[in-house]
Amino acid sequence: DTGVSQNPRHKITKRGQNVTFRCDPISEHNRLYWYRQTLGQGPEFLTYFQNEAQLEKSRLLSDRFSAERPKGSFSTLEIQRTEQGDSAMYLCASSFPTAGGTVYYGYTFGSGTRLTVV
Amino acid sequence: GESVGLHLPTLSVQEGDNSIINCAYSNSASDYFIWYKQESGKGPQFIIDIRSNMDKRQGQRVTVLLNKTVKHLSLQIAATQPGDSAVYFCAESQAGTALIFGKGTTLSVSS
Repeated sequence: DTGVSQNPRHKITKRGQNVTFRCDPISEHNRLYWYRQTLGQGPEFLTYFQNEAQLEKSRLLSDRFSAERPKGSFSTLEIQRTEQGDSAMYLCASSFPTAGGTVYYGYTFGSGTRLTVV
Repeated sequence: GESVGLHLPTLSVQEGDNSIINCAYSNSASDYFIWYKQESGKGPQFIIDIRSNMDKRQGQRVTVLLNKTVKHLSLQIAATQPGDSAVYFCAESQAGTALIFGKGTTLSVSS
């Protein structure tokens, strides 16, 4: 296990279709984060899990987006009824918080899934 | 709102020069900061981090400086190499909440 793995790397879909992305974090990391990044911008936070619990969701995470981490290991991000505005790079990161839950270890990011909605 | 911003969108340097990339943050309650490097088509790569109880931290060829008085963060890269060419982001968090990223500075290194 050498890093965070994301699949697929690229996804082209027609507007209105549903898509699902997968993230496999570093095995000993119990926190997992999803971000979205559009061209020329920094990553924008979507949601994060600690083990299987979804602890925080951004206002960016509309009702069409849902994320799961059923067994506290891998996670999926589903987008329903995709829109052209959903075209972006979707990044996953994982981390291992220090005692007390505060994260002082740098997050490790995957290579992302690039979504294009046509 | 609370966000992290960068002073310059682009920075061009010669190989061997030292590079300084700056970042201003607005949330005075942020207690953890990270610099990332991102190459085209790849995810952000961790470079160095610093906690708010420190004002300087050094890594291999990189130094991060934190000035809480003016809410300013900088990344210094010594002896910049062509392989350092990338987009650099600073990010902040507060009490273990999610990282907030700025817009990035594109570093171009010419040989």
